[in-house]
Amino acid sequence: AQRVTQPEKLLSVFKGAPVELKCNYSYSGSPELFWYVQYSRQRLQLLLRHISRESIKGFTADLNKGETSFHLKKPFAQEEDSAMYYCALLFTSGTYKYIFGTGTRLKVLA
Amino acid sequence: NAGVTQTPKFQVLKTGQSMTLQCAQDMNHEYMSWYRQDPGMGLRLIHYSVGAGITDQGEVPNGYNVSRSTTEDFPLRLLSAAPSQTSVYFCASSWALGGGTGELFFGEGSRLTVL
Repeated sequence: AQRVTQPEKLLSVFKGAPVELKCNYSYSGSPELFWYVQYSRQRLQLLLRHISRESIKGFTADLNKGETSFHLKKPFAQEEDSAMYYCALLFTSGTYKYIFGTGTRLKVLA
Repeated sequence: NAGVTQTPKFQVLKTGQSMTLQCAQDMNHEYMSWYRQDPGMGLRLIHYSVGAGITDQGEVPNGYNVSRSTTEDFPLRLLSAAPSQTSVYFCASSWALGGGTGELFFGEGSRLTVL
């Protein structure tokens, strides 16, 4: 079955420390993976997508098909990075459907 | 450009009552979907649609109905509300059939409490 797993519900780091939010997926097809972020009192919004291989707000994520992972990383966390982060998998084979992981709340401490 | 608009933002219901959460988008997106957000459970897909007249069930469809009579609107109906449906509901849309990047655009959310 298709599944997105985010093992950490809460991740607390100090400002300036590296951050890694884990995401693993289960999908037999060719995955399209995304990270979405929800800042306090704001709408859920796209942070980055694996296809574009971009870096947004200092975050990067590499798709590792061998480990079926798409971990989100940032070398130096900032207080404004505190938010809820969701990993998402888009199916386009035979259907068009998005599923999300359970989310990780990131708290960056001063 | 309003994007994705959800109404109402807040609603309190009694067990057994019915209601409809409205969702409208003005971006001509083919794909529309409803999620519920619960602590520790993340975003779970309720129903989705890839175009007018086409709907399908997601991960947690029981207790919810949807219809897609137009490209713009995708209402979510609770026929007989239960306390287990207390949640925050999000509508989201995207382009699906070519020309899109896959980005989902979300509404602001609707907080529903069932007593």
